[in-house]
Amino acid sequence: DAGVIQSPRHEVTEMGQEVTLRCKPISGHDYLFWYRQTMMRGLELLIYFNNNVPIDDSGMPEDRFSAKMPNASFSTLKIQPSEPRDSAVYFCASSPSQSIDRENGYTFGSGTRLTVV
Amino acid sequence: EDQVTQSPEALRLQEGESSSLNCSYTVSGLRGLFWYRQDPGKGPEFLFTLYSAGEEKEKERLKATLTKKESFLHITAPKPEDSATYLCAVQAAPSGYALNFGKGTSLLVTP
Repeated sequence: DAGVIQSPRHEVTEMGQEVTLRCKPISGHDYLFWYRQTMMRGLELLIYFNNNVPIDDSGMPEDRFSAKMPNASFSTLKIQPSEPRDSAVYFCASSPSQSIDRENGYTFGSGTRLTVV
Repeated sequence: EDQVTQSPEALRLQEGESSSLNCSYTVSGLRGLFWYRQDPGKGPEFLFTLYSAGEEKEKERLKATLTKKESFLHITAPKPEDSATYLCAVQAAPSGYALNFGKGTSLLVTP
């Protein structure tokens, strides 16, 4: 398995532009998580899905952020309009159903480093 | 609100010098405590999950232990390749299946 695949690896954009981050979870995983990592705040949960349905989006900073999971193999995180304070590394992670596999943790992608100038 | 605090923030060890990293947590209804390793420019890599006080797990030079208030990651005779940031996270009933992470301990092992 290729693991969790995120694209792009790096994104530099100007303030006010729309940014779309993409994630392909591991096949067969029921859960998908979006996290944001900064030096100041560490890893913060933004939103997570179970079977393509958003379960908890309380970590989404504001209405400028939106996430979708149109099918089991693809998710997007969109920021519109982007601001310099959105600069961070955004990680996607996936996990199988807890009732099936509790011993392998959540698998993270390599992240997207977003810089808003 | 769930709280996860890791200490120290940074640790420098000589190769072979054993030590421990601490993760203190305050949660309601702990489902599991997770340890991850993160190398620069990469995503966190899963190490262990602990579920109940008294549980221990080992992997090569690493051993994780759990009490009702904290977890320790013991590193025995570390090597330079153990240098990384070690993250602790809790999964608690009110938060569903999401993980709440501490800010990590940055470990540097010098030859």
